[in-house]
Amino acid sequence: AAGVIQSPRHLIKEKRETATLKCYPIPRHDTVYWYQQGPGQDPQFLISFYEKMQSDKGSIPDRFSAQQFSDYHSELNMSSLELGDSALYFCASSLRQGPSNLQETQYFGPGTRLLVL
Amino acid sequence: AQTVTQSQPEMSVQEAETVTLSCTYDTSESDYYLFWYKQPPSRQMILVIRQEAYKQQNATENRFSVNFQKAAKSFSLKISDSQLGDAAMYFCALSGYALNFGKGTSLLVTP
Repeated sequence: AAGVIQSPRHLIKEKRETATLKCYPIPRHDTVYWYQQGPGQDPQFLISFYEKMQSDKGSIPDRFSAQQFSDYHSELNMSSLELGDSALYFCASSLRQGPSNLQETQYFGPGTRLLVL
Repeated sequence: AQTVTQSQPEMSVQEAETVTLSCTYDTSESDYYLFWYKQPPSRQMILVIRQEAYKQQNATENRFSVNFQKAAKSFSLKISDSQLGDAAMYFCALSGYALNFGKGTSLLVTP
């Protein structure tokens, strides 16, 4: 079965640079989530999209932005990178089938490991 | 606010033995899902098992089963016949507008 695809898998950037992470959800899934997992921590929710519209926001810095495109893939744009942004970034997708239906199973991609030097 | 608590930072089990990982949660919702995700050293997040709160029957997936106590807001994971490949970080998670994770339990499997 098709899984969530994330690219790149590894990324090294310098402080103050920008980075773009891409996510391709499971086909026919209508919702995408972004999570950030620091070393030794649990994943923290950043932002989600349902049917190409922003659904909810978590602890996403103002330096970060995201969008979901017409083909349902999503991109997380990160600017003015800081050392503390070094983390594993997960994309997850689900089939929500309704804006208020929050009882669905999220399937995670392999993650993008970002290292900021 | 929703909270998920995993009180066991680390657990150890011998191969072929059974181990239970604990999780408690708090939510004001009446309808929700609970999950256990496994994160091996590769750091991939793998869904282990899912429990719908409206279902009284405990979920089971092969060697993995849960003990869901809704009134007590408890959701433990039992791994039977433990294998070396079960060694990983296990996260308990509660559904909402996003998944709310516990801090995780690191499971070590010894030969």
